[in-house]
Amino acid sequence: GAGVSQTPSNKVTEKGKYVELRCDPISGHTALYWYRQSLGQGPEFLIYFQGTGAADDSGLPNDRFFAVRPEGSVSTLKIQRTERGDSAVYLCASSLQGDTQYFGPGTRLTVL
Amino acid sequence: TQLLEQSPQFLSIQEGENLTVYCNSSSVFSSLQWYRQEPGEGPVLLVTVVTGGEVKKLKRLTFQFGDARKDSSLHITAAQPGDTGLYLCAGAKGGSARQLTFGSGTQLTVLP
Repeated sequence: GAGVSQTPSNKVTEKGKYVELRCDPISGHTALYWYRQSLGQGPEFLIYFQGTGAADDSGLPNDRFFAVRPEGSVSTLKIQRTERGDSAVYLCASSLQGDTQYFGPGTRLTVL
Repeated sequence: TQLLEQSPQFLSIQEGENLTVYCNSSSVFSSLQWYRQEPGEGPVLLVTVVTGGEVKKLKRLTFQFGDARKDSSLHITAAQPGDTGLYLCAGAKGGSARQLTFGSGTQLTVLP
């Protein structure tokens, strides 16, 4: 079946702009996760959804970052007033309950 | 700050050689996972180890979880060019793999 998909695959924006990153999880997976991976580093946890609600958003770096999952499937990560330090690959993963996480290919965000 | 330290950070070897990658922490984890990530893709789960002292084998890959559940190692026998990739360890706390803390990764290159 189809895996986790993320769009766009690449996003280039200017400092101060607003961006939205989309994640389509594997069908039927109730849990959805967002991670951020900077160059030369491992993924860093941002937020975890169980169904429609954010069960843990302790990894969001500040209030410029926000994520939603209104119908318990697709999720959108929103970043306001982007900064150059936000440049990274944003990974999404989904799982059945708290089981194995399956990762998407990521969105590479570049803030100029 | 990465709670999981991986070593070496980079490793370049010839086809047929053996290698070991280490993942160390001062924290105790309920389980530890190893992933492999290729350029432009998300991490793919290789194995999960749960019990202190546990050893798991996956073809030419041998994974070990330390007795105190703070460290782990990955040993590859007779490495092949197809083993090239970024190897990441990730620790989970609590009863499920919901919150993963990733190491910074070991970039392995196997030369033909």
